[in-house]
Amino acid sequence: NAGVTQTPKFQVLKTGQSMTLQCAQDMNHEYMSWYRQDPGMGLRLIHYSVGAGITDQGEVPNGYNVSRSTTEDFPLRLLSAAPSQTSVYFCASSASTGDGGGYTFGSGTRLTVV
Amino acid sequence: GENVEQHPSTLSVQEGDSAVIKCTYSDSASNYFPWYKQELGKRPQLIIDIRSNVGEKKDQRIAVTLNKTAKHFSLHITETQPEDSAVYFCAASQEKLTFGTGTRLTIIP
Repeated sequence: NAGVTQTPKFQVLKTGQSMTLQCAQDMNHEYMSWYRQDPGMGLRLIHYSVGAGITDQGEVPNGYNVSRSTTEDFPLRLLSAAPSQTSVYFCASSASTGDGGGYTFGSGTRLTVV
Repeated sequence: GENVEQHPSTLSVQEGDSAVIKCTYSDSASNYFPWYKQELGKRPQLIIDIRSNVGEKKDQRIAVTLNKTAKHFSLHITETQPEDSAVYFCAASQEKLTFGTGTRLTIIP
């Protein structure tokens, strides 16, 4: 049982490049989400999914796309990287939303856009 | 949407003393309130949570209280130890989990 697995751990992109951050969980969790963490701003929700085929926007969705074709995987795509997207990205999953239980986080992806 | 405010942003306490971190939330529909601890360079880890039908929960040296009427909840750490030094985040959820901005807790030996 690996929990939530994120790849890559580190990435440097040039402005305008695109890439996909991978997230996979093996706990059969329905709920998955992506956060970005910036100094002094806590964790801000980018996109989330309440089940396969269902996604919705969070607080800071611009510049990012997601899809959820399977329960296990929830990739985050950066369409055209900008320096403002330099951040640490965390994927998280939970058995259910609301009061259903705790969220398990992946180990994070540190992204630098130059 | 939900807005979670967290205070203080930094907190230093002597080893053995107690630490209290406070959060307020705006959406009365929120019904789940977890607390996370994040050590430097690591992922956030759940340390305790409370649901809206409970006013207080305790786990060894850690306790959380919830006042739904006032829409605030607090984390209490007693008999603090050096390993308690970290950044602590509160959060509130009804469907989406919204985080506070964090408290950097430093335990002074």
